This record gives sequence, C-alpha cells and structure tokens, in this order.
Amino acid sequence: AQSVTQLDSQVPVFEEAPVELRCNYSSSVSVYLFWYVQYPNPGLQLLLKYLSGSTLVKGIHGFEAEFNKSQTSFHLRKPSVHISDTAEYFCAVSGGYQKVTFGTGTKLQVIP
Amino acid sequence: GAGVSQSPSNKVTEKGKDVELRCDPISGHTALYWYRQRLGQGLEFLIYFQGNSAPDKSGLPSDRFSAERTGESVSTLTIQRTQQEDSAVYLCASSPLGASNNSPLHFGNGTRLTVT
Repeated sequence: AQSVTQLDSQVPVFEEAPVELRCNYSSSVSVYLFWYVQYPNPGLQLLLKYLSGSTLVKGIHGFEAEFNKSQTSFHLRKPSVHISDTAEYFCAVSGGYQKVTFGTGTKLQVIP
Repeated sequence: GAGVSQSPSNKVTEKGKDVELRCDPISGHTALYWYRQRLGQGLEFLIYFQGNSAPDKSGLPSDRFSAERTGESVSTLTIQRTQQEDSAVYLCASSPLGASNNSPLHFGNGTRLTVT
C-alpha cells in the first residue's frame, strides 16, 4: 500500500519570499511522484513529476522539487513566490501498478 | 487537443433525487478516476477504472454511489437518493496508463453538485 503525508495544511508566506511545501510518502515499491496545483478553477494541473534520473526536478511557474529516497520525501520549493501562486498544492504517488494516491493538500497563501 | 470534459459543470438537485454525472476522458487514456472534493477539503478517491480490469470501487462511500465505464470511453457516476452531504465538486481524471503507471493524471474542471 502507498500513502502520502502533507504535513502542513496551510502555509502563509510573504510575496517574494521563498517557500517549501513538505511531502513524505511511503511505499513498498519504486515510486513515481507528482505535484499538482489547484487554483480556484477546480481542475488540478500538473506542476512537476519525478519518474527517474536526476533527483531535482523542475516544473512550471518556477517550482522545483527534490526526491530524497532515504528520507522518503519530495518537498516542493520556490525561491520567490508571487501572489498568483496562491492555490492549493497536492502531492501524489504512484507505482507498482497501484492507483494514484494523493495527499490531503497544502493551501499556500501569498501575502502582499 | 481536447482535454477531459465533464458535464454538467453545475447541478442543483433536491434531496432524494438521483443524479448522473458524465466524464469524457482524453481519447486513448486507459485509466479513469473519480474524486469527490467537499468545500475546503482535499481529494477523496471514489473509483478507479483501468482498461478492461475490474474497477477499484474501494472509495465509494455508500451503495447509493455507482459508476460505469464503457470500454475506454465515457464514464458516468450515479448518485441515488441524494443527500445534502453529497454536495461537493466531483472531479474526473484520466491518464494514458502505461505498464509502469508513471503517467500523470489529466483532470476535468469538475461538476459542482448542490443538494438542496
């Protein structure tokens, strides 16, 4: 079985400050990891993904994430946030023919 | 190309009525998921279709909920005898699931269901 833990339900951060959204996972098989963003429009959009290779992956809107196998983490980072980054962010894991499992989400609030 | 399409975008129904929600996945996508998202909450898995395999119905909250999918095309989620607690956004997602399950999901814009 797989699981995903997003430790922070809400993260307030000032505009132009850096941010890190935490994600930890557990799985008994090799994993693929994803971050999705949900703006007020309900549909979710893929931000970035880790499939294999380099542990640092870059995504859209200036976000990046680092896969750390020993710590079973896949934290999302951005060096300088913008008001338009205010949204909810979901971490997800898949692998081993199992269905995708989502975390509970982190609401990022960027303060002007 | 066309993305995942869901209809209707909004549905208001009276308590006790049945509703049917529709999802048109991206052509060729073998995997299809339904999720429920209550106001201010995260994604609640409902059901997962993968090709011709038996669907994973482990997330359906009660026997009032059912879903069907014809082959690798349209899926319908049916809620019978709706309750106010069913009010939520229902999201559909599809993916071109490969043997290794490394494909990201493509989401529709959801159906906002309000039960009065």
